Amino acid sequence: EAGVTQFPSHSVIEKGQTVTLRCDPISGHDNLYWYRRVMGKEIKFLLHFVKESKQDESGMPNNRFLAERTGGTYSTLKVQPAELEDSGVYFCASSQDRGRTNTGELFFGEGSRLTVL
Amino acid sequence: AQRVTQPEKLLSVFKGAPVELKCNYSYSGSPELFWYVQYSRQRLQLLLRHISRESIKGFTADLNKGETSFHLKKPFAQEEDSAMYYCALTPFSGGYNKLIFGAGTRLAVHP
Repeated sequence: EAGVTQFPSHSVIEKGQTVTLRCDPISGHDNLYWYRRVMGKEIKFLLHFVKESKQDESGMPNNRFLAERTGGTYSTLKVQPAELEDSGVYFCASSQDRGRTNTGELFFGEGSRLTVL
Repeated sequence: AQRVTQPEKLLSVFKGAPVELKCNYSYSGSPELFWYVQYSRQRLQLLLRHISRESIKGFTADLNKGETSFHLKKPFAQEEDSAMYYCALTPFSGGYNKLIFGAGTRLAVHP
């Protein structure tokens, strides 16, 4: 079974440009999360989808970040316009519905490294 | 406020030595605690969780509510244990698995 996949693995853009990151969760996982790790700091929660609905977007830094999950399958995270401080690794994770047999485990993608110059 | 603190950025030991990676948390309720690990060129993955009370790859972690700690221990480190270790918590009542991570500790096990 394929794990969580993210694209691109690395993106280098200039300040002011736009970047869109994509995440394909494990099939059947209703929960999808975006996290970010800025160099030297902790992995921070950005937002959580349950199917196509945003359950919690309390971690989104500002309105330059837009996440979507149309149809409840894959998700995109757009940064527009990108700033220097947006550089970091963006992780996507998915999990099963908490109501079922659920260990509480999140399954992570390999991350998308964003470098803003 | 919910917070996870890992005081050591780097822990360097020799093969066969005991290892303890420290983790302290602050949370007013009853959180679930986890250890996630990221080996070189691999994705972040679950190592163990406190509710399972299990030993994985020789690692154990005991939740100490009095000290609000969840330290990760292994009696004899192996070179393949070298990785980045993250302690994380999720609110029991959250109903979903939002994780709050610590900054991580890099474990380097030398031959």
